[in-house]
Amino acid sequence: QKEVEQNSGPLSVPEGAIASLNCTYSDRGSQSFFWYRQYSGKSPELIMSIYSNGDKEDGRFTAQLNKASQYVSLLIRDSQPSDSATYLCAVGGSARQLTFGSGTQLTVLP
Amino acid sequence: EADIYQTPRYLVIGTGKKITLECSQTMGHDKMYWYQQDPGMELHLIHYSYGVNSTEKGDLSSESTVSRIRTEHFPLTLESARPSHTSQYLCASSGGQEILNEQFFGPGTRLTVL
Repeated sequence: QKEVEQNSGPLSVPEGAIASLNCTYSDRGSQSFFWYRQYSGKSPELIMSIYSNGDKEDGRFTAQLNKASQYVSLLIRDSQPSDSATYLCAVGGSARQLTFGSGTQLTVLP
Repeated sequence: EADIYQTPRYLVIGTGKKITLECSQTMGHDKMYWYQQDPGMELHLIHYSYGVNSTEKGDLSSESTVSRIRTEHFPLTLESARPSHTSQYLCASSGGQEILNEQFFGPGTRLTVL
């Protein structure tokens, strides 16, 4: 079992819809959780970080964390074609490193 | 402006050459990382450093070496490049409280070994 698993893509949603990206992790001691967006051929860009249970909203993005279920998600409201990218879930624990998921490719259809 | 820089952005080189990929950050971060990523594939940690004169190998075995003589500089060297080294190399840095662990990435170096 991989340490950080993301729902397998690719995921396609119509423009204006809500895109839901999911991630589960195996290390119960994990303390920090991140979502990165990576456009094709580019480097990952940090878009959300969350450290405590519940929701965290930033513009059209909402990160949700449930430590009991070892689950973190990213919701993108009013999806735009410019949101089309691969989204990476990353989890940090006691070590000073991040464990990355394999990514979910999102396509927003005009 | 605080940022993380990588040079060169693109490199095409012949087999057997020695190459150094540069990474510098002006973010004041103490922790730096090198990742390798093939197109459409996962990120793999190949080296990391938690401070000057501290370097460790990551999860993915790599024939490259790194050094950390200055806080802001973390170069990666391949003594003898091979076609199997063709990939994208991403440098990242992190600072502040360890629990925060936010990593910020440079633009990457796309390496092609012929």
